[in-house]
Amino acid sequence: DVLMTQTPVSLPVSLGGQVSISCRSSQSLVHSDGNTYLHWYLQKPGQSPQLLIYRVSNRFSGVPDRFSGSGSGTDFTLKISRVEPEDLGVYYCLQSTHFPLTFGSGTKLEIK
Amino acid sequence: EVQLQQSGAELGKPGTSVKLSCKVSGYNIRSTYMHWVNQRPGKGLEWIGRIDPANGNTIYAEKFKSKATLTADTSSNTAYMQLSQLKSDDTAIYFCAVLTTKNWGQGTLVTVSS
Repeated sequence: DVLMTQTPVSLPVSLGGQVSISCRSSQSLVHSDGNTYLHWYLQKPGQSPQLLIYRVSNRFSGVPDRFSGSGSGTDFTLKISRVEPEDLGVYYCLQSTHFPLTFGSGTKLEIK
Repeated sequence: EVQLQQSGAELGKPGTSVKLSCKVSGYNIRSTYMHWVNQRPGKGLEWIGRIDPANGNTIYAEKFKSKATLTADTSSNTAYMQLSQLKSDDTAIYFCAVLTTKNWGQGTLVTVSS
């Protein structure tokens, strides 16, 4: 199985600040079709996860441009700028290039 | 508007089975894969498997191959997951989801207790 190593576990931030979350995979996430199936989700307390970024860097509909994804191969990053209260929760990366699909262990974004 | 409406909370005894449902409205369930994901109390997300409702083909994570059975009823636009031989370790919230969209169910809490 592809191991997704997500860091940090906890991320204190000041409102208005900028943060980065890292997700590293144990093998390349480049699919044989040439696409890289690495996605980012936010799970707010008591809610289902919501898609933020799909295929590394594509913002999902309605997601503010404060969120950006980057990376390639095995190393990926989610950046959040001008953090707002609604951004707080747990962020997960997900790879769907290889079966079984695997999630990162999560990063909790909280107020400093 | 697309909605995935999951069935209500379940309390199951060890060794028994439960069957969860995920009723889809707003699109034809045949058109895309349905995935199931769980989340144990206070823990992260774990992929269980997916079904192609158009033909019933399934793929499971190894650890769920003898635990979960995914099915779909295209006539009622509903996906199902049966969990068998329940153990306390199966206590979790179970989500149905069309991954890489906003379409997730609200989750079903399964509690295993005697």
